[in-house]
Amino acid sequence: EAGVAQSPRYKIIEKRQSVAFWCNPISGHATLYWYQQILGQGPKLLIQFQNNGVVDDSQLPKDRFSAERLKGVDSTLKIQPAKLEDSAVYLCASSFLGGARSYEQYFGPGTRLTVT
Amino acid sequence: DAKTTQPNSMESNEEEPVHLPCNHSTISGTDYIHWYRQLPSQGPEYVIHGLTSNVNNRMASLAIAEDRKSSTLILHRATLRDAAVYYCILLQGGSEKLVFGKGTKLTVNP
Repeated sequence: EAGVAQSPRYKIIEKRQSVAFWCNPISGHATLYWYQQILGQGPKLLIQFQNNGVVDDSQLPKDRFSAERLKGVDSTLKIQPAKLEDSAVYLCASSFLGGARSYEQYFGPGTRLTVT
Repeated sequence: DAKTTQPNSMESNEEEPVHLPCNHSTISGTDYIHWYRQLPSQGPEYVIHGLTSNVNNRMASLAIAEDRKSSTLILHRATLRDAAVYYCILLQGGSEKLVFGKGTKLTVNP
């Protein structure tokens, strides 16, 4: 079974530029998550999708971050404009909706963003 | 979100058992105890979870105190590949929202 795919793996941009990250979840997983992980800290949930709809985006800085999940499969997370404090690893995860193992999230390798 | 407390770091020798503690004194009756780990340069991966009874799977064992205010993740025979940050997370029944703390960084010495 293929895992969660993310691209790019690394990205370096200057502050005030924009950047986008892409995520392809495990086939059949209805729930998709984006996390931000700053160096030395645990991941922090930014947004959760269930199929096309947003379940939780309470910690997404909506003035600069946006995310979409068209057709309930792939997702894109965008930052515009980027700030220095956005330097972090952005992790995508997915899980089944319902069922005995809906609690288990499968994470991708992440995209390491450096803002200079 | 209920809070957990873990040591910042622990060290072990290869092929020896490792006991990773987690305190969760404010746990509620419907909170499940989940463990994830994050290997270097990778995303977190699920390890094990439990509610009241001790649990075993191919990766680890989870021992839960009788009052549920603490738990211990047990790696029966540590390998170099087990070097990772281990996160103890409380998840309310039916919830999917993982709230990660800083976890315990496990170093395994050859």
